[in-house]
Amino acid sequence: NAGVMQNPRHLVRRRGQEARLRCSPMKGHSHVYWYRQLPEEGLKFMVYLQKENIIDESGMPKERFSAEFPKEGPSILRIQQVVRGDSAAYFCASSPLGNTEAFFGQGTRLTVV
Amino acid sequence: DQQVKQNSPSLSVQEGRISILNCDYTNSMFDYFLWYKKYPAEGPTFLISISSIKDKNEDGRFTVFLNKSAKHLSLHIVPSQPGDSAVYFCAALYNQGGKLIFGQGTELSVKP
Repeated sequence: NAGVMQNPRHLVRRRGQEARLRCSPMKGHSHVYWYRQLPEEGLKFMVYLQKENIIDESGMPKERFSAEFPKEGPSILRIQQVVRGDSAAYFCASSPLGNTEAFFGQGTRLTVV
Repeated sequence: DQQVKQNSPSLSVQEGRISILNCDYTNSMFDYFLWYKKYPAEGPTFLISISSIKDKNEDGRFTVFLNKSAKHLSLHIVPSQPGDSAVYFCAALYNQGGKLIFGQGTELSVKP
């Protein structure tokens, strides 16, 4: 059973470009979470999704950030018009219905130059 | 507002001895706590968890203790091994299956 798969592992974008981060949850997991880790900080919750639904987006910045988890395909975290402050490691986690233990992917390291 | 705090950024322990990592929280509504281990350039890996209705949970070399009145939990690793060297994150839930609230992490170094 493959783990949570994130791609790309590393992503470099110039200021003003768009970044798309992908996450395929573990097989059988219907809940996806996105977290961000800024340098020298812990992981901060961004958004919690189930298939085709956003359950909790209280950690998402109000502008430029969006997330989706379509019926088919991976979950996507999209950052429009990236700025240097968006440089961070972005982690996706998944869990099966009702399970408290979320399993994390390897992360995508976004660098904005 | 840091609801989950790990006040020690780093800890160094000799191989074979006990490692004790501490975590404090402020929200009494948290009902589930987890510890994750993280190596550089990798995602966090689940270690052990505890429900708020318990005060201890043990899994091999790892034991988590919960003191609800003090809003404090700790992770004990006995005996510590060099392969345990990593960053350890404490996390809390107040709606099972919902978002995790993480502490800042403690970097454990186990010296041979």
